[in-house]
Amino acid sequence: AQSVTQLGSHVSVSEGALVLLRCNYSSSVPPYLFWYVQYPNQGLQLLLKYTTGATLVKGINGFEAEFKKSETSFHLTKPSAHMSDAAEYFCAVSEAGGSNYKLTFGKGTLLTVNP
Amino acid sequence: DTGVSQNPRHKITKRGQNVTFRCDPISEHNRLYWYRQTLGQGPEFLTYFQNEAQLEKSRLLSDRFSAERPKGSFSTLEIQRTEQGDSAMYLCASSFWGPNYGYTFGSGTRLTVV
Repeated sequence: AQSVTQLGSHVSVSEGALVLLRCNYSSSVPPYLFWYVQYPNQGLQLLLKYTTGATLVKGINGFEAEFKKSETSFHLTKPSAHMSDAAEYFCAVSEAGGSNYKLTFGKGTLLTVNP
Repeated sequence: DTGVSQNPRHKITKRGQNVTFRCDPISEHNRLYWYRQTLGQGPEFLTYFQNEAQLEKSRLLSDRFSAERPKGSFSTLEIQRTEQGDSAMYLCASSFWGPNYGYTFGSGTRLTVV
């Protein structure tokens, strides 16, 4: 069974500071990994994904994440936070080799950006 | 294409009533997923369709829940005899088949059972 752990339910940064949101996963097979962002009362928007190939993945809005198999991690970073980045962020895993591609989500991390 | 559309956006119902939600996916997508999200939690998988076939249902989907996707187009999720524990955001997503395509989510239907 797969699981996702997001360390820190709430992260607060200053505008212009580094954003680091942590995600660790548990999977019996190599996973596909995703980060989604959710704004209040909205659905989720895909930020970036790792399926195969390069382990450093670049996404939208200046975010990137690195798949580290040895650490079973897929942390999300952004060099300089913007006020518009304030939202909830979800890490998700899908089992590679399966065919349903259903996602198992973490509990989310709420990012607050202070002026 | 305007993305994934869900209706209604909000639904308040009395306990014991039946409710039905609708999802219109991106027309080219053959996969459609339903998820449920409660406060402070990530979305949880409920069920998914490949075209019109319902291929998997979570054990979260009790007998009171039923989903359909007639003709492989829009989908409906019906909850019979609603309970307060059914209060949640119900999210629909669609995608192409395959791991390289992330989901496109709709804005969700927020259900409140009073």
